[in-house]
Amino acid sequence: QKEVEQNSGPLSVPEGAIASLNCTYSDRGSQSFFWYRQYSGKSPELIMSIYSNGDKEDGRFTAQLNKASQYVSLLIRDSQPSDSATYLCAVIAAAGKSTFGDGTTLTVKP
Amino acid sequence: ETGVTQTPRHLVMGMTNKKSLKCEQHLGHNAMYWYKQSAKKPLELMFVYSLEERVENNSVPSRFSPECPNSSHLFLHLHTLQPEDSALYLCASSQDIRLALSGELFFGEGSRLTVL
Repeated sequence: QKEVEQNSGPLSVPEGAIASLNCTYSDRGSQSFFWYRQYSGKSPELIMSIYSNGDKEDGRFTAQLNKASQYVSLLIRDSQPSDSATYLCAVIAAAGKSTFGDGTTLTVKP
Repeated sequence: ETGVTQTPRHLVMGMTNKKSLKCEQHLGHNAMYWYKQSAKKPLELMFVYSLEERVENNSVPSRFSPECPNSSHLFLHLHTLQPEDSALYLCASSQDIRLALSGELFFGEGSRLTVL
């Protein structure tokens, strides 16, 4: 079992729709959770961080965390073509080790 | 100046060559990292440095040799690499090695390495 698993892509949504990206993790002691966005040919950049159960909203982005289910998700409302990228889920274990998922490639079609 | 800069951006080398990748961070961070990103594989953590001291080496072959002369600079020395080492090598920094507390990693643009 992978330490961090993301829903297999690619994911394609029409412009204006909600894109839903999912991530599960195996280390129940994990403390911190991050979503990075990586445009093709570019480096990852942080877009959301979440540390406690529940929802965290930032503009069109909402991160959701459920530690009991070991599940973290990212919702993108009103998806735009500029949101087309690969989204990486990163989980920080209690010991501080960071583990990334394989990434989910999102395409938003005009 | 961008936060984390890497040079060179692209490198092609033969299996017998010796080359080095350079990373410099201008953020005043205490921790620096080397990651490897291969096609269709997750980011792989290679090395972690905290205040110039190596704190993690994730079973990386000895043909990769890191060096951290100060908290702003990080090198990855390459020697007798294999074609399967071709990948994007990303340098990152964070305020503190305790990522659970300090939050995000700041990545450089990466060095695209091709080994012939």
